[in-house]
Amino acid sequence: RKEVEQDPGPFNVPEGATVAFNCTYSNSASQSFFWYRQDCRKEPKLLMSVYSSGNEDGRFTAQLNRASQYISLLIRDSKLSDSATYLCVVNDYKLSFGAGTTVTVRA
Amino acid sequence: GAVVSQHPSWVICKSGTSVKIECRSLDFQATTMFWYRQFPKQSLMLMATSNEGSKATYEQGVEKDKFLINHASLTLSTLTVTSAHPEDSSFYICSAREGLAGEIAKNIQYFGAGTRLSVL
Repeated sequence: RKEVEQDPGPFNVPEGATVAFNCTYSNSASQSFFWYRQDCRKEPKLLMSVYSSGNEDGRFTAQLNRASQYISLLIRDSKLSDSATYLCVVNDYKLSFGAGTTVTVRA
Repeated sequence: GAVVSQHPSWVICKSGTSVKIECRSLDFQATTMFWYRQFPKQSLMLMATSNEGSKATYEQGVEKDKFLINHASLTLSTLTVTSAHPEDSSFYICSAREGLAGEIAKNIQYFGAGTRLSVL
C-alpha cells in the first residue's frame, strides 16, 4: 500500500462550484499534514497545513479524519486560478507526497 | 515566504555527461535541504536529505555515487547527476528548511522552481 494515495481526477468543475477530494494515508501514527498546490511544470507551493480540528483559509477548508486515516480539501466558489494539481503531504519527519489530484475549473 | 533559488531550470545533455544543479536559500539559513525527483504524473520522491557540513542521507534505492550531494554552506546545496543516462531524465526539485526550532518542528519546506533534466 502506498504511503499516501489520492484520486488523480481530473475534477472538471465550472466557476463558482464547490469541489472536494480526499487523500488517504497508511501510517496511523502520522500527526502532521499539508496540502500543497502544484501548477504544471512548477514547484509545489504550500497551500495550508491541516489541523486536527479542521481549518479554513478563505475558500479552502481542510479536514482530518484520524479514525479513517484520510484528509480532505474542499474548495468553495472555484476560480479559474484554482486549476492546478493538489498534493496531499504527510509529515513524518520527512515529507511523503501523494501523486496529486488535478482540478480544472472552466469558465 | 522564504525564497529558494534553483539553477538551472532546464538542462539538455548528452548521455554520459555530468550535470550539476544548485539550490540556494536566498533570505534564510537552511541547515537542511532536500532533493526530490518527480516523474510525469507521479508524486515527488525524496532522494536525499542534505545537512550542512555533513554527508547526505540517501533514501533506499538512490545511488549515492550516481547522485552526488554537497552542502558546503548554510545557503547552498548542489546535486550532481554523474554520467547521466536517458532514464535519469526527470524533474529535480530541491527544498530548504529553515533552521529555527519552530520551523523544524513544523517541517515546513520551501521549494526551488525545479530543474527539468533531459538526457539524450
